[in-house]
Amino acid sequence: DIQMTQSPSSLSASVGDRVTITCRASQSIGNYLNWYQQKPGTGPKLLVYGASSLQIGVPSRFSGSGSGTEFTLTISSLQPEDFATYYCQQSYTAPFTFGPGTKVDIK
Amino acid sequence: QVQLVESGGGVVQPGGSLRLSCAASGFPLRNYGVHWVRQAPGKGLEWVTFIRYDGSTQYYANSVRGRFTISRDNSKNTVSLQMNSLRFEDTAVYYCAKVPYSTTSGYYLDYWGQGTLVTVSS
Repeated sequence: DIQMTQSPSSLSASVGDRVTITCRASQSIGNYLNWYQQKPGTGPKLLVYGASSLQIGVPSRFSGSGSGTEFTLTISSLQPEDFATYYCQQSYTAPFTFGPGTKVDIK
Repeated sequence: QVQLVESGGGVVQPGGSLRLSCAASGFPLRNYGVHWVRQAPGKGLEWVTFIRYDGSTQYYANSVRGRFTISRDNSKNTVSLQMNSLRFEDTAVYYCAKVPYSTTSGYYLDYWGQGTLVTVSS
C-alpha cells in the first residue's frame, strides 16, 4: 500500500500569511494527488485534483504543485475562512490512502 | 445542486451488523463511481471502499476486507455499505463521496455527503 505523509501536522498563521503544506508519497504516484479541506462538523471539500488543477469554485489563492513523490499545497494569502484541516490523498491505486492531515489555526 | 445524503448510522454491539445508504439528489448517481471514507472521533480521514459506476469493480481497505461489502442499486440511485462483524475500532463518521464523470486523475472525490455516525459499543 502507498503511505502518505504530511508536514507539518499543524501550523499557526495569521490572516494574509502565505502557507505551504507538503505531502509525500511512499512511491511515485505521478500527478494522482488531491487536496481536501475539512472544517469541523462538515464533510471534506475538494480543493485541488491531479496535483495542480483547481476544483471549480475554489479561490485562486489555493494552488497545488508537484509530481512523483513530493507535492505542495499553497495558500497565497490566508483568509479567515481558510482555518481548517487539509488532507492530501492519492488516487493512483487502491487503497486510495489519505495523509494524516495538517491543521491550520489562527496565530 | 449536487447532494449526497448518508443514512443508516447508529449504535451497534461488537460483532453486529449495520447497513449504510448513500442517496443522491440533483444528479443520477448511477453514472458515477462512489467511495466510502470514515473518520474516527478526533482522527483523520480513512479510505474504506470504492465501487465503479456500473458495479463491475470494488476495492476495499485491508482493515474492512471480508467484513464490509459495497454495492449499488442504480434503479434506486443509491449505494450501500453492508458492515458485518463490527469492531470497536469501526466507530466513526462514515462519508460517501462521488468521483467525477470523466477523469484522467484517477478516482478522486469531488463531492461528499455530511456523514452518518456509526458507534460500536457494548
